[in-house]
Amino acid sequence: RKEVEQDPGPFNVPEGATVAFNCTYSNSASQSFFWYRQDCRKEPKLLMSVYSSGNEDGRFTAQLNRASQYISLLIRDSKLSDSATYLCVVNEDNAGNMLTFGGGTRLMVKP
Amino acid sequence: GAVVSQHPSWVICKSGTSVKIECRSLDFQATTMFWYRQFPKQSLMLMATSNEGSKATYEQGVEKDKFLINHASLTLSTLTVTSAHPEDSSFYICSARELAGDTQYFGPGTRLTVL
Repeated sequence: RKEVEQDPGPFNVPEGATVAFNCTYSNSASQSFFWYRQDCRKEPKLLMSVYSSGNEDGRFTAQLNRASQYISLLIRDSKLSDSATYLCVVNEDNAGNMLTFGGGTRLMVKP
Repeated sequence: GAVVSQHPSWVICKSGTSVKIECRSLDFQATTMFWYRQFPKQSLMLMATSNEGSKATYEQGVEKDKFLINHASLTLSTLTVTSAHPEDSSFYICSARELAGDTQYFGPGTRLTVL
């Protein structure tokens, strides 16, 4: 069983649509959680951290459910530039030493 | 701030040769650097954790004699792929963690193609 699981997609959506990605993790002792964005042939870039209370950054909203070991990312009003692979990342210790990456969910926003 | 560079960006080499990849933290000191590998359509997999001045810790299944890691200073770690073979062709990405932080900052990656 993979430690961090994501639906690989691709999610094909029109501009302006709202799209949601989900992620589950297996280690209940995981400490912190992130969504990264990775463009083709580029390094991952931190999109946002995910907090238990839920957090929002512009069009992006992240939620964490520790009881269900489930993380989500909601993108509202999708832009063409949102097309990328979104990686769910779990930090399994306090010192940032054990990042485990999900397989990523590919998003394609069409005009 | 928190910029990490890698060199080279891409490299093509013949089977059997060794390739060195450099990872530098440009504007901060990194006690710990990490090396990841990403095959096409797969996610990043941690290869090893490198601490300045000490031996790297390798993940299960990663050959330490094949992937030599040196972290001689707080701003530089190198990964040498020795006797590279076509199956070593991959995207190698490093990250660095600040002295007083828990966030990893990623380099732009090095694409290795072994013919």
